[in-house]
Amino acid sequence: KAGVTQTPRYLIKTRGQQVTLSCSPISGHRSVSWYQQTPGQGLQFLFEYFSETQRNKGNFPGRFSGRQFSNSRSEMNVSTLELGDSALYLCASSLVAGGLSSGANVLTFGAGSRLTVL
Amino acid sequence: AQTVTQSQPEMSVQEAETVTLSCTYDTSESDYYLFWYKQPPSRQMILVIRQEAYKQQNATENRFSVNFQKAAKSFSLKISDSQLGDAAMYFCAYRTTSGTYKYIFGTGTRLKVLA
Repeated sequence: KAGVTQTPRYLIKTRGQQVTLSCSPISGHRSVSWYQQTPGQGLQFLFEYFSETQRNKGNFPGRFSGRQFSNSRSEMNVSTLELGDSALYLCASSLVAGGLSSGANVLTFGAGSRLTVL
Repeated sequence: AQTVTQSQPEMSVQEAETVTLSCTYDTSESDYYLFWYKQPPSRQMILVIRQEAYKQQNATENRFSVNFQKAAKSFSLKISDSQLGDAAMYFCAYRTTSGTYKYIFGTGTRLKVLA
């Protein structure tokens, strides 16, 4: 079955612009989470959506936002881009979100969207 | 707040040898999950192995095994018979079973496999 699909894979923006990234989860997966990956910082959690509701949010400024649609596809938006927003943005999907399952939620990651801000 | 620390930014291992990647974490919870994820160069991150904190037995997946020391809050990954395809970034991750249920990742260890 198809994996987690992220688009676009690469993009270049300038400071002050905004960007929208898309993530299509594995069919049947209802939870989508987003991470920012930068060298030396590892993966920083942005937010998690389940059934169109944001269930968790990381410590990022309000310029970072997201949403999830009824088909579980998710988008994240970064407004007023800064140089420090340059990163690989990873999306991951799982069957359920957080504590709704007694088992561990294994994340399936997409290939990521590499954003460069000039 | 929970933290995950990977103190080895980079490791090298000869092909066919064994290597151990270190991970420590800090938490006040008694129940949680621990994971090792692998990110090959320019490829997607995949799950290597996972461990439930309530299980005393160390998890094993083929050539990959963990040494889980709950009291010491240590969760190391051992790769036996290293192969060139094992070269990747390895991330240790923690997930709580209560509260926000977020995953917390370490900063990663880059593993190089030498032929």
